[in-house]
Amino acid sequence: DAKTTQPNSMESNEEEPVHLPCNHSTISGTDYIHWYRQLPSQGPEYVIHGLTSNVNNRMASLAIAEDRKSSTLILHRATLRDAAVYYCILRGAQKLVFGQGTRLTINP
Amino acid sequence: GAVVSQHPSWVICKSGTSVKIECRSLDFQATTMFWYRQFPKQSLMLMATSNEGSKATYEQGVEKDKFLINHASLTLSTLTVTSAHPEDSSFYICSARLARGFSNEQFFGPGTRLTVL
Repeated sequence: DAKTTQPNSMESNEEEPVHLPCNHSTISGTDYIHWYRQLPSQGPEYVIHGLTSNVNNRMASLAIAEDRKSSTLILHRATLRDAAVYYCILRGAQKLVFGQGTRLTINP
Repeated sequence: GAVVSQHPSWVICKSGTSVKIECRSLDFQATTMFWYRQFPKQSLMLMATSNEGSKATYEQGVEKDKFLINHASLTLSTLTVTSAHPEDSSFYICSARLARGFSNEQFFGPGTRLTVL
């Protein structure tokens, strides 16, 4: 499974945008980029996924670099409930393999 | 969205006993379910992939005789931790994929916290 690299932690303020980066330089042409987040003592929650084009949904936006070697998850207006560990995962085969993720702290 | 439930949400057992954890897809059919384990402050580690009606595929280093997985129907998979020991204490999380995934989403259960005394 192709590997992703994320910062261990990030911090932002409430009601400000947050940009969570992910590097995946070994991505293959058929790998989808998935983002999940996990709140404390809960199972992961799907956030967004994409292949080549930028994607938007009610939770976030996903910006994918033209060469697909990196992507950025954008939370447009962070709230305290967005504090979680965010995982960037590549999926080509059947399974999702989690890396260490980015622990996002939101300051009131 | 699709909902995956787990039962129990937490369990405490004595060393040497077996514990069964259920994973159910409540409003969709899942041909494939996955079991993960998560230790404190660590990421999720995939244990096994379970396909309905066939034997589970275990990840390297996971003992198949210790972690028994049964996926008897399209909505239910079970994980049995046999002869549990304190080092098996962990957060166990299942996930399920739609039988005909229109968006390739994988839905996760809320997790089961196992404590072995």
